[in-house]
Amino acid sequence: RKEVEQDPGPFNVPEGATVAFNCTYSNSASQSFFWYRQDCRKEPKLLMSVYSSGNEDGRFTAQLNRASQYISLLIRDSKLSDSATYLCVVNGAGGYNKLIFGAGTRLAVHP
Amino acid sequence: GAGVSQTPSNKVTEKGKYVELRCDPISGHTALYWYRQSLGQGPEFLIYFQGTGAADDSGLPNDRFFAVRPEGSVSTLKIQRTERGDSAVYLCASSSTPGTGSYNEQFFGPGTRLTVL
Repeated sequence: RKEVEQDPGPFNVPEGATVAFNCTYSNSASQSFFWYRQDCRKEPKLLMSVYSSGNEDGRFTAQLNRASQYISLLIRDSKLSDSATYLCVVNGAGGYNKLIFGAGTRLAVHP
Repeated sequence: GAGVSQTPSNKVTEKGKYVELRCDPISGHTALYWYRQSLGQGPEFLIYFQGTGAADDSGLPNDRFFAVRPEGSVSTLKIQRTERGDSAVYLCASSSTPGTGSYNEQFFGPGTRLTVL
């Protein structure tokens, strides 16, 4: 079983749609959780950290359920520029420095 | 300011050859990380440096892979006797010193795309 598992995608949605991505992680000792965005043939960039209380950044909302070891990302009012791969990330065992990435979920927003 | 830079951007080599990949972290960042990303997968951790020392090399797949950071800044990932399965994008990231119980954002470079023929 992979340490971080995500919806396989791809998600093809029209502009303005709301889309949700889910992720589960296996290491109950993980302390830090993130969503990264990766554009085609580019490096990953931090989209947002995920906190137990849930957090929102504009159109993006992230949720964490430690009991279920489940992380989600909600994107409202999708824009064409949201098209990318979204990577669910947790810190690995042994510290806060080793990031464990999911395989990513691809989002394609069309007009 | 300048971000993380990596050279070369692309490297094509033949099976069995030796390659070196270079990473120049953000100035002042003491922590440096190497990851490898295969097609259709997320980045996979290889090694983490804090200053000059490798604090965690648990992700290196075998002894053909080695990385150094002699002066605590630039790092070189070295791969001996390359195999076709080594073909991937090698990503470097840097961050300021992680504190206990906290996380400092890792900033990624553009990667080196390695192709082993």
